[in-house]
Amino acid sequence: NAGVTQTPKFQVLKTGQSMTLQCAQDMNHEYMSWYRQDPGMGLRLIHYSVGAGITDQGEVPNGYNVSRSTTEDFPLRLLSAAPSQTSVYFCASSYRGGNSPLHFGNGTRLTVT
Amino acid sequence: KQEVTQIPAALSVPEGENLVLNCSFTDSAIYNLQWFRQDPGKGLTSLLLIQSSQREQTSGRLNASLDKSSGRSTLYIAASQPGDSATYLCAVRQDRDDKIIFGKGTRLHILP
Repeated sequence: NAGVTQTPKFQVLKTGQSMTLQCAQDMNHEYMSWYRQDPGMGLRLIHYSVGAGITDQGEVPNGYNVSRSTTEDFPLRLLSAAPSQTSVYFCASSYRGGNSPLHFGNGTRLTVT
Repeated sequence: KQEVTQIPAALSVPEGENLVLNCSFTDSAIYNLQWFRQDPGKGLTSLLLIQSSQREQTSGRLNASLDKSSGRSTLYIAASQPGDSATYLCAVRQDRDDKIIFGKGTRLHILP
């Protein structure tokens, strides 16, 4: 059981480049989300989805796009990378409702120069 | 806007002591509260989940409590060990929009 799989593990971008961080889960979870983690800031919610075809903004959505065409996949797109987007990005998933724990991927460390 | 606060930000205690980590939240309209552990450079591992209708959950040496009306939760760690050294984060799942909001964590160091 793979759980939540994120790729790539590491990425270096130049300012202005675009890229997509991939996230896939094999647990048939309706809920998927993206967080960024910066020193001293904890985890901040970027975007989330409660099911295929549905996405919503989190706390820090600017500069990021998402789509949810399937239950399994929830890619995060950086349209024009900026140094302020240097961070560790985590994808997480769960069933909806009150009794479902959140499962995390291993993270993607992104550096924008 | 939901705000989740964890106090203290860092804590060092000798091995063997019992300790309490605190988490508070401003909006009590939640489905659940979760406690996570994060080791340096790693992802997050779920430790305990307390549903809004529950008062506490236990797993081994860990006990988490929830007082929803006052917006507080505690994580009690009994007989601490050096392997408990990690960052502990709490998160609340809001019932109006399903957002899961995290606190900034408590960095715990158990001294051998």
